[in-house]
Amino acid sequence: EAGVAQSPRYKIIEKRQSVAFWCNPISGHATLYWYQQILGQGPKLLIQFQNNGVVDDSQLPKDRFSAERLKGVDSTLKIQPAKLEDSAVYLCASSLTLTANEQFFGPGTRLTVL
Amino acid sequence: QKEVEQNSGPLSVPEGAIASLNCTYSDRGSQSFFWYRQYSGKSPELIMSIYSNGDKEDGRFTAQLNKASQYVSLLIRDSQPSDSATYLCAAYNNNDMRFGAGTRLTVKP
Repeated sequence: EAGVAQSPRYKIIEKRQSVAFWCNPISGHATLYWYQQILGQGPKLLIQFQNNGVVDDSQLPKDRFSAERLKGVDSTLKIQPAKLEDSAVYLCASSLTLTANEQFFGPGTRLTVL
Repeated sequence: QKEVEQNSGPLSVPEGAIASLNCTYSDRGSQSFFWYRQYSGKSPELIMSIYSNGDKEDGRFTAQLNKASQYVSLLIRDSQPSDSATYLCAAYNNNDMRFGAGTRLTVKP
């Protein structure tokens, strides 16, 4: 069974530029999560989707971050404009459902903002 | 504020010993608890989940949960150098997953 796929794996941008990350969850997983992991910290949940609907986005900085999962499968996370403090690894995870919530992570995208 | 606290370590144990990793959480409503292993530069890998008080064993790993004390632990028996990693504890409640900062474990040959 294929795992969670993410791209790109690495991205370097300058502050005030925009960037987008893509995630494809494990086949059949209805719930998708985006996390931000800053070096030396645990992952921080940004947003979670159940199919194509947002379940929770209370920790998403909505002035600059946006995410969508239009067809209930793939998802895109966007940052516009980026700030230096956005440098982190962006992890996508999926679980079978909200209640069967063992989450499996993709390889992540390491973002460096200069 | 819902917090998950872990000793950052590093925790160093000799090969073959038992490694004991601890975690406390502040949200009493937390229902599910998870241990993830994260190698340097890699993404977290789920190793254990636990939902009810008591012990849960899976191979060399045993997770322990005490909801009254808001305490979760992970024991790794017969520790191997390949177990050297950061171990993340996570607590889940009502669509909210909170991770600790992780404990770095080093197993010395």
